[in-house]
Amino acid sequence: AQTVTQSQPEMSVQEAETVTLSCTYDTSESDYYLFWYKQPPSRQMILVIRQEAYKQQNATENRFSVNFQKAAKSFSLKISDSQLGDAAMYFCAYVQYGGATNKLIFGTGTLLAVQP
Amino acid sequence: NAGVTQTPKFRILKIGQSMTLQCAQDMNHNYMYWYRQDPGMGLKLIYYSVGAGITDKGEVPNGYNVSRSTTEDFPLRLELAAPSQTSVYFCASRLRTDHGYTFGSGTRLTVV
Repeated sequence: AQTVTQSQPEMSVQEAETVTLSCTYDTSESDYYLFWYKQPPSRQMILVIRQEAYKQQNATENRFSVNFQKAAKSFSLKISDSQLGDAAMYFCAYVQYGGATNKLIFGTGTLLAVQP
Repeated sequence: NAGVTQTPKFRILKIGQSMTLQCAQDMNHNYMYWYRQDPGMGLKLIYYSVGAGITDKGEVPNGYNVSRSTTEDFPLRLELAAPSQTSVYFCASRLRTDHGYTFGSGTRLTVV
């Protein structure tokens, strides 16, 4: 069975600094997607960034980028120029490619605090 | 576009009561999902649907039921509420051809 592990329950970063959140996953499949979701205190699940496993190039979205290491099954999120609004719970998630039965599997989350 | 709309946002139930959590999406998404999020945990799948009239169980279906009579709506029914069902419930949807999920804002349910 696929699993997603986030080993950092909490992280802290100074405003304007860079922080990296770690995520590892376990799967025997070759085609899948990986996501980082942000959950602020409002509870809304917000998609931050996604990565298709077949793409070697790391995804980027403005200040957010990933380091995708397929062989190592690692998918870390880097937040550059951290802002107070980045404070939230961040979830790493995996879904196997194809079919509704391939459910989105979540890690346990990393709570990010941003210090002014 | 409203996206995925969940109602209510908060609810307190007494043990043994029943209720229905509503979920509606206006994006013509084929697939819809119900997740629950317990404190300090990620989301776990309760039920999902691949289209109107078709539903199936996820990881933690016990104590819940669903129906999908239309593409837009996917209500979650709790029968005989128990304290173990205290959680935050999320509805999500996606297109068959896309793996990007859209989530609702969640329902915080407390069973006392």
